[in-house]
Amino acid sequence: NAGVTQTPKFQVLKTGQSMTLQCAQDMNHEYMSWYRQDPGMGLRLIHYSVGAGITDQGEVPNGYNVSRSTTEDFPLRLLSAAPSQTSVYFCAAIGVYGYTFGSGTRLTVV
Amino acid sequence: KQEVTQIPAALSVPEGENLVLNCSFTDSAIYNLQWFRQDPGKGLTSLLLIQSSQREQTSGRLNASLDKSSGRSTLYIAASQPGDSATYLCAVRPRDDKIIFGKGTRLHILP
Repeated sequence: NAGVTQTPKFQVLKTGQSMTLQCAQDMNHEYMSWYRQDPGMGLRLIHYSVGAGITDQGEVPNGYNVSRSTTEDFPLRLLSAAPSQTSVYFCAAIGVYGYTFGSGTRLTVV
Repeated sequence: KQEVTQIPAALSVPEGENLVLNCSFTDSAIYNLQWFRQDPGKGLTSLLLIQSSQREQTSGRLNASLDKSSGRSTLYIAASQPGDSATYLCAVRPRDDKIIFGKGTRLHILP
């Protein structure tokens, strides 16, 4: 019963590097989303998807791309990392009975 | 644009007291509202989900209510324990599916 799996748990990037945060779910939920959590700002929605092939922007989409080729996977791509993207990133899958979150990825951009 | 506000931002109460956490939202056209707890450095744990057609949900010592017309939800914690110390967040799923979180209430139960 894995639920939502995020990898990696920790990552340090240099400014300008790109990377992909992985998110996979085994609950067959259509809705998945990415959040970033920063002190004093709470959880802010980056991108979300209501099903395979469908994605949309949240509150803070700039600098991030997503795709949803399968129901299970919803990767988040940082195109050119900036120090402002230092944060904790959470992926969630949402079904009829509520949300399941991954354990988070702590990203530092230096 | 949906906005979610949680008051107070922080709360300290002695062990054993009953307490209420508040969540307000600006657009009453929602699918559901959910309460979570988050321990320091950890992910989010779901507590209670209230669908738009429901008025309240209960789980153990927790009771969450929803009043859509006034844009308010409360989380009631009975007989608080030190293990209840955490940050409590509410999240609203509006009709446009852009789920929005409040900034949370940081709760400290004093032994």
